[in-house]
Amino acid sequence: ETGVTQSPTHLIKTRGQQVTLRCSSQSGHNTVSWYQQALGQGPQFIFQYYREEENGRGNFPPRFSGLQFPNYSSELNVNALELDDSALYLCASSLQLAGTGELFFGEGSRLTVL
Amino acid sequence: GESVGLHLPTLSVQEGDNSIINCAYSNSASDYFIWYKQESGKGPQFIIDIRSNMDKRQGQRVTVLLNKTVKHLSLQIAATQPGDSAVYFCAETISGANSKLTFGKGITLSVRP
Repeated sequence: ETGVTQSPTHLIKTRGQQVTLRCSSQSGHNTVSWYQQALGQGPQFIFQYYREEENGRGNFPPRFSGLQFPNYSSELNVNALELDDSALYLCASSLQLAGTGELFFGEGSRLTVL
Repeated sequence: GESVGLHLPTLSVQEGDNSIINCAYSNSASDYFIWYKQESGKGPQFIIDIRSNMDKRQGQRVTVLLNKTVKHLSLQIAATQPGDSAVYFCAETISGANSKLTFGKGITLSVRP
């Protein structure tokens, strides 16, 4: 157990809808990163939040957005869902000041877009 | 573009044998490397890491080797067990670079009883 929890674990949406995924970071961790993992692929970095601000973003369109709250929990929002958004969405927490890149992953939210 | 890749998509080994999983990276600026294990239905689990100022690091039953000259990383698992069956990813990053990890595609390790 990494102490990172995500919800929901599974969900099904239709194309064009919007989705919100939630993540609670490990106690004491102030940084949350989101990754998208398509079937059979490695995780791809979406963005990272540190002290409630976006602190780095991967090659994802603006319809992928996020929030971090004062308690360091985070949300990932995806608007105008497309079929290719079907994937496992992973949240990872870390100590920014650690500088080691060590991430603790949750078990993910499996999104299916029909 | 920059990428992290693995040579083989699957690896099948006999229980008790040693396993070696290889990985090539292309970003010469990367200075921190991590191996992750991902079991079905779970998130990636940290196995072992290594910094670029080292060429070898050992953990419990696992060893990571780093060859910066040829940009190669390997994970050695001693006395492979059925519980080692999973997908393994190498990942690279630049220290302090927002903890962004670049993952390879993964290799499936299958342990035969």
